[in-house]
Amino acid sequence: DQQVKQNSPSLSVQEGRISILNCDYTNSMFDYFLWYKKYPAEGPTFLISISSIKDKNEDGRFTVFLNKSAKHLSLHIVPSQPGDSAVYFCAATHFGNEKLTFGTGTRLTIIP
Amino acid sequence: DAGVIQSPRHEVTEMGQEVTLRCKPISGHDYLFWYRQTMMRGLELLIYFNNNVPIDDSGMPEDRFSAKMPNASFSTLKIQPSEPRDSAVYFCASSLAAQDYGYTFGSGTRLTVV
Repeated sequence: DQQVKQNSPSLSVQEGRISILNCDYTNSMFDYFLWYKKYPAEGPTFLISISSIKDKNEDGRFTVFLNKSAKHLSLHIVPSQPGDSAVYFCAATHFGNEKLTFGTGTRLTIIP
Repeated sequence: DAGVIQSPRHEVTEMGQEVTLRCKPISGHDYLFWYRQTMMRGLELLIYFNNNVPIDDSGMPEDRFSAKMPNASFSTLKIQPSEPRDSAVYFCASSLAAQDYGYTFGSGTRLTVV
C-alpha cells in the first residue's frame, strides 16, 4: 500500500524553464512533507519541507505547494539548471512521528 | 564529521549466502534508520533505532532480515539466507532528534544477489 505516490517516473525539462514535480498522498494523518534530492551513487539529501499549516514554502529557486484538500503537493524549480538533474523523492509524516514515508521518486533531467 | 558511513559500497553474493551491511551514523545523532530502495517501491523503511534500541521493525520483509545496533556508533543489517529478490540499494540514515526530518543518508550499499 503506497501511501505516498509519485506517478511520473521521469521528467525532462529544458534548461531555464520551470520544472514541476508532483506527489500525492493517501494518509490524512500526514501533516508534514519534504522533498529530497538524490544524485547517482549518493544518498538522498534534504531539499525543502512544508507543514500543513502552510500552503507554500519557498527557498531560492525551489518552491513547494501543498493542496490539503486534494492531498497533493508539488515542487517547482525555477529556473531549472543542469545541476538539478537528479531523482527527487517526496516524503511525508505526521509531525511528532519519528519516521518518514517516501514515494518512489521522479527522475528529473534538465536538457541544456 | 564524515557523515554517515556505509560499507561495503557494493556487494555481490550468491543466493543462500549471508550478507552483512554496516553503518556508522553521525556522532550525537540519536536516531538511525535503515531504508531499501527499489524501482517499484521507492525508499522503504525497514527498521529504525532510537538510542540504540529498535523502535519499529515492521518494515523488515521477513525473518531472513535482522538488524542490530550494539552501540551508538555502529549498526548492522544482516540477510540470511539471501535471495535474488533482495537485490536493491540499502541506505542507512541518521538524525539528531525525533522531529529532525532532515535525515543524513549514507551513500548506500548496492546489493546484488545472483
